[in-house]
Amino acid sequence: QKEVEQNSGPLSVPEGAIASLNCTYSDRGSQSFFWYRQYSGKSPELIMSIYSNGDKEDGRFTAQLNKASQYVSLLIRDSQPSDSATYLCAAPPGRRALTFGSGTRLQVQP
Amino acid sequence: DARVTQTPRHKVTEMGQEVTMRCQPILGHNTVFWYRQTMMQGLELLAYFRNRAPLDDSGMPKDRFSAEMPDATLATLKIQPSEPRDSAVYFCASGLVLGLAGGNEQFFGPGTRLTVL
Repeated sequence: QKEVEQNSGPLSVPEGAIASLNCTYSDRGSQSFFWYRQYSGKSPELIMSIYSNGDKEDGRFTAQLNKASQYVSLLIRDSQPSDSATYLCAAPPGRRALTFGSGTRLQVQP
Repeated sequence: DARVTQTPRHKVTEMGQEVTMRCQPILGHNTVFWYRQTMMQGLELLAYFRNRAPLDDSGMPKDRFSAEMPDATLATLKIQPSEPRDSAVYFCASGLVLGLAGGNEQFFGPGTRLTVL
């Protein structure tokens, strides 16, 4: 079992819709979780971090964490074509450095 | 503005040659990470340092790869000898970790795209 798992997609949503990206992790000891966005040919860019159960909102982005289910999600409201990218979920297993999921490719159709 | 810088941005070399990649972390950050990204394997951690000390290099092929931090403003990743399978994008990232647990925010440099012929 991979430490951090994501559906590779592509996830296609129409402009203006809500995009929902999901991630599961295997290590119950993980305490912090991160979402990165990576445009093609660019480096990963941190967009959200979440440390406690529940929701965290930042503009059009909402991160959701459920430690009991070992599940992290990212919601993007009012999706724009500029949101089209690969979204990487990351968590630190134990005390180690971040482990990244393989990423979900999001396509927002104008 | 503060950002991680990496040089070179692109490198094409022949098999067997030595390759050195450099990274300048964000000033004040105490943790530096080296990642490799390929289509097949995704983003893999190669090595990381905290306060210039190597904490984990288990992801790195020891026989040909080496990572060092000669000072707080410079991290290097060296491949000798290089092989075609080393072709990838190599990212450096830095972060500020204040406690024993890892995993605080990391900020990535632009990457070095390496092609080994």
